[in-house]
Amino acid sequence: DVKVTQSSRYLVKRTGEKVFLECVQDMDHENMFWYRQDPGLGLRLIYFSYDVKMKEKGDIPEGYSVSREKKERFSLILESASTNQTSMYLCASSVPGQGAFNQPQHFGDGTRLSIL
Amino acid sequence: QQPVQSPQAVILREGEDAVINCSSSKALYSVHWYRQKHGEAPVFLMILLKGGEQKGHEKISASFNEKKQQSSLYLTASQLSYSGTYFCGTEHSGYALNFGKGTSLLVTP
Repeated sequence: DVKVTQSSRYLVKRTGEKVFLECVQDMDHENMFWYRQDPGLGLRLIYFSYDVKMKEKGDIPEGYSVSREKKERFSLILESASTNQTSMYLCASSVPGQGAFNQPQHFGDGTRLSIL
Repeated sequence: QQPVQSPQAVILREGEDAVINCSSSKALYSVHWYRQKHGEAPVFLMILLKGGEQKGHEKISASFNEKKQQSSLYLTASQLSYSGTYFCGTEHSGYALNFGKGTSLLVTP
């Protein structure tokens, strides 16, 4: 079974802090994703990566950056945390798609981040 | 480009059926369905591919109507374990998905 592990289940930080959320997958997947999940808004894509050191902006990248130095690890960075970044953050991974078809994504349990 | 799901929420009694719809404004090659139980990670259910293929998982099946750019998820003879939030995902790019806002399903005894 694919295992996607997020470093923290709950995290509390202060406004202005630099925050790191870590995600590790154990199935050698090329693709990794970061989403935020807010009530009534569903899952919104922040950033994704299709290879080591490669990254692409999703729909809501403002205020975030990412790092992928190793294939199994994808980090989400909040450069200067703000209260509107309080949310559930979900990491996912997948193998490459076949042509136009995306492959199933495997999700971690999420990090509930509170910015005070 | 977020797909639109309907209904937003549904409450069923055990054994009843439900349909969840997912519509997109753009042409699609595939639609994904995921279920998320409270406090847990979303779990992949199935992919529907272009061509109107219908797939099944337990007593859950789905269809994909290319002409309407719509997919429907059918939950038959619902069980308590079906409770959760259902998300559809459509292609964002060759790598990522656009997810809908979700449909909350509650099955009661």
